[in-house]
Amino acid sequence: DVVLTQTPPTLSATIGQSVSISCRSSQSLLHSNGNTYLHWLLQRPGQSPQLLIYLVSRLESGVPNRFSGSGSGTDFTLKISGVEAEDLGVYYCVQGTHAPWTFGGGTKLELK
Amino acid sequence: QVTLKESGPGMLQPSKTLSLTCSFSGFSLSTSGMVVSWIRQPSGKSLEWLAAIDWDGDKYYNPSLKSRLTVSKDTSNTQVFLKITSVDIADTATYYCARTLNYWGQGVMVTVSS
Repeated sequence: DVVLTQTPPTLSATIGQSVSISCRSSQSLLHSNGNTYLHWLLQRPGQSPQLLIYLVSRLESGVPNRFSGSGSGTDFTLKISGVEAEDLGVYYCVQGTHAPWTFGGGTKLELK
Repeated sequence: QVTLKESGPGMLQPSKTLSLTCSFSGFSLSTSGMVVSWIRQPSGKSLEWLAAIDWDGDKYYNPSLKSRLTVSKDTSNTQVFLKITSVDIADTATYYCARTLNYWGQGVMVTVSS
């Protein structure tokens, strides 16, 4: 199975600070069809995960544009440009290029 | 409006069969391209994809659990089911169903305990 390694495991930020989360894959996530099936989820405390970014950099409908995704191959980054209180929770990367889908270990975003 | 809701037994004993139901509205699983997945999350841990079924009735399983999993859907295409046989303590988790990754249910907590 593809292993996704997220760093850092915990991130402390102040409101308004910009932060980045890294997701590294054990294999290239470029599919033979040209798509890269790497997505980002946010799980707020006590809630189900929600989709933020799909296909590396596409913003899910309704998600604020302070969230952005980038990367290719095996290295991907989620950036939050100006953290807000509602952004606190655990972020997961997930890949769907290689079966089975696999998830990263998560990055917990806390208030400093 | 797309909604999904999981239901299950809450608690069951080791070696029993876990049966879960995902009831959804706002879309039909008979529509081309639709896929419903089951994903679980032990408390405080990351997520694990278990199985999926698509609009054409094709089924997909996590190889690590395939021998214990059965996913199915009802004929009205408004419910998806998951059965896990021979459960043990390691199967204790919150179980989610999700339409692709952009719509998730609230999750149902399942505890395996004697």
